[in-house]
Amino acid sequence: GENVEQHPSTLSVQEGDSAVIKCTYSDSASNYFPWYKQELGKGPQLIIDIRSNVGEKKDQRIAVTLNKTAKHFSLHITETQPEDSAVYFCAASERDDKIIFGKGTRLHILP
Amino acid sequence: KAGVTQTPRYLIKTRGQQVTLSCSPISGHRSVSWYQQTPGQGLQFLFEYFSETQRNKGNFPGRFSGRQFSNSRSEMNVSTLELGDSALYLCASSSNSGANVLTFGAGSRLTVL
Repeated sequence: GENVEQHPSTLSVQEGDSAVIKCTYSDSASNYFPWYKQELGKGPQLIIDIRSNVGEKKDQRIAVTLNKTAKHFSLHITETQPEDSAVYFCAASERDDKIIFGKGTRLHILP
Repeated sequence: KAGVTQTPRYLIKTRGQQVTLSCSPISGHRSVSWYQQTPGQGLQFLFEYFSETQRNKGNFPGRFSGRQFSNSRSEMNVSTLELGDSALYLCASSSNSGANVLTFGAGSRLTVL
């Protein structure tokens, strides 16, 4: 079955700098790669997703890149702000299969 | 549009007891997935139900079970509770099964003493 590895587990960046979180997956058949953000006391919320027919997707300050050959994908957050502090999860899924999550990255934005 | 509602939000049980958690999905969503969240293991997939049928199952023992009703509401049950079952149990609904956007509830935090 699918296995998703996520790094780093904790990341601290200065406000205004960029943050990058990386994930690798094991199942070459996976074709859907979402990213979720979890704030304290809440359930995770989708922030961006990418499907295997594209290599990059951007939404304002957030971008995701996908390298299917290497089986890894990354989340990039530019111009970080205090409200970006949260736990971020990457995930992978084959079309009709369950969505498997990484173990999460706790992002701290330093003032 | 109401979100995903999970009840109860918090509960405390003792070892050996059983617990039932409830999840009401977003109206119109037919898929409900359950995840266990612990500090060391992140989000681990338990099972997914679609139109009252279990479509996918994670690697959890048989003590963990679930079901879905005709109105798409879902319940999960854990029998013979162990200390290691202490976790946040998250329910997520989706319009379809598989690789689709999940909308999560706030979770049910279970503490086993």
